[in-house]
Amino acid sequence: SQQGEEDPQALSIQEGENATMNCSYKTSINNLQWYRQNSGRGLVHLILIRSNEREKHSGRLRVTLDTSKKSSSLLITASRAADTASYFCATLLNYGGSQGNLIFGKGTKLSVKP
Amino acid sequence: NAGVTQTPKFQVLKTGQSMTLQCAQDMNHNSMYWYRQDPGMGLRLIYYSASEGTTDKGEVPNGYNVSRLNKREFSLRLESAAPSQTSVYFCASSGYRGVETQYFGPGTRLLVL
Repeated sequence: SQQGEEDPQALSIQEGENATMNCSYKTSINNLQWYRQNSGRGLVHLILIRSNEREKHSGRLRVTLDTSKKSSSLLITASRAADTASYFCATLLNYGGSQGNLIFGKGTKLSVKP
Repeated sequence: NAGVTQTPKFQVLKTGQSMTLQCAQDMNHNSMYWYRQDPGMGLRLIYYSASEGTTDKGEVPNGYNVSRLNKREFSLRLESAAPSQTSVYFCASSGYRGVETQYFGPGTRLLVL
């Protein structure tokens, strides 16, 4: 079963619009991370939010975390054509202090049309 | 500062052939990882090395072996390639396993005929 699942699978918007992607997970986490992958490239880290945080900002990115609903959202404001990419959430399970491995979702494919 | 580098970028193998994918990082990271990515799938962890001298299996280790040659280098070996191993392989590193962000290489596209 998938720990982290992004929704929607694909999203197409016009330049200037906001894009919202969601991630749901099943078990208690230590942190949740968002990554971007441009076509044919490696993943690039965007933002990390810890389980005791509710919201983080980085430039045009806003990430929220609701541990009671086991969900996170990534908002990209004023999108640009260069934001076209796949976006993945990755969760680190909470082993009560033990270090674990990141579990990646299947991603949301974002297309921003000029 | 090159970050994480991978070689080769692309490889075609015949079923049964062997090959080694190379990965190196210059960020003095302790932990390194090998993932595979298949169409429509997220990344799945093959093996990881939490620190120099240690390696452990991830989610999909069958058909693969790894070597943490030193702190910088972590290689992935396919002893007898199978068509099911056709995939894009990514190496990543982080300061410490789990709690920190991971830095990814550009990937190796492998086609097994």
